[in-house]
Amino acid sequence: NAGVTQTPKFRILKIGQSMTLQCAQDMNHNYMYWYRQDPGMGLKLIYYSVGAGITDKGEVPNGYNVSRSTTEDFPLRLELAAPSQTSVYFCASSSQGSLSNQPQHFGDGTRLSIL
Amino acid sequence: DQQVKQNSPSLSVQEGRISILNCDYTNSMFDYFLWYKKYPAEGPTFLISISSIKDKNEDGRFTVFLNKSAKHLSLHIVPSQPGDSAVYFCAASDHSGAGSYQLTFGKGTKLSVIP
Repeated sequence: NAGVTQTPKFRILKIGQSMTLQCAQDMNHNYMYWYRQDPGMGLKLIYYSVGAGITDKGEVPNGYNVSRSTTEDFPLRLELAAPSQTSVYFCASSSQGSLSNQPQHFGDGTRLSIL
Repeated sequence: DQQVKQNSPSLSVQEGRISILNCDYTNSMFDYFLWYKKYPAEGPTFLISISSIKDKNEDGRFTVFLNKSAKHLSLHIVPSQPGDSAVYFCAASDHSGAGSYQLTFGKGTKLSVIP
């Protein structure tokens, strides 16, 4: 059981480039989330989705876009990479939202550097 | 403004002793609290949670205590083992309307268990 799979694990981008961080889960979870973790800080929610076709902004959505065309996949798009987006990105999923007290399961992260 | 605070960036404990990790919160609407454990180069993994209707929850060596009046929770690990060495994140959510899918994380406490 793979759980939550994130690709790539590492990436270096130049300022202004774009890329998509991939996230897939095989647990048939409806809820999926994207977080970023900056050095010495906690995780901050970027975007979340409560099901296919439904997405919403989290605490720090600026500079990112998401889509949710299937239950399994929740890609995160950076259109114009900026140094402030250097961070570790975590994708998570849960069977129900935090409303129902189900814990989120996390992938191993994508370490992204913008130079 | 940090709504979830872990004021100790690090903690060292001898193997076999008790580890106590602390977390304070400011948002009185938080009603569900979780602890996550994170090893380097891995994603956070769920450890234990507690609802605001309880003041204690136990799972094996791990116990979480909640003091709502003080807006304080703590994670006790007894006995501590070298494999417990990791970063521990406290997280909280409120279930009232907008934001009910969001977890707010503290900055984490790095626990080192010395053999």
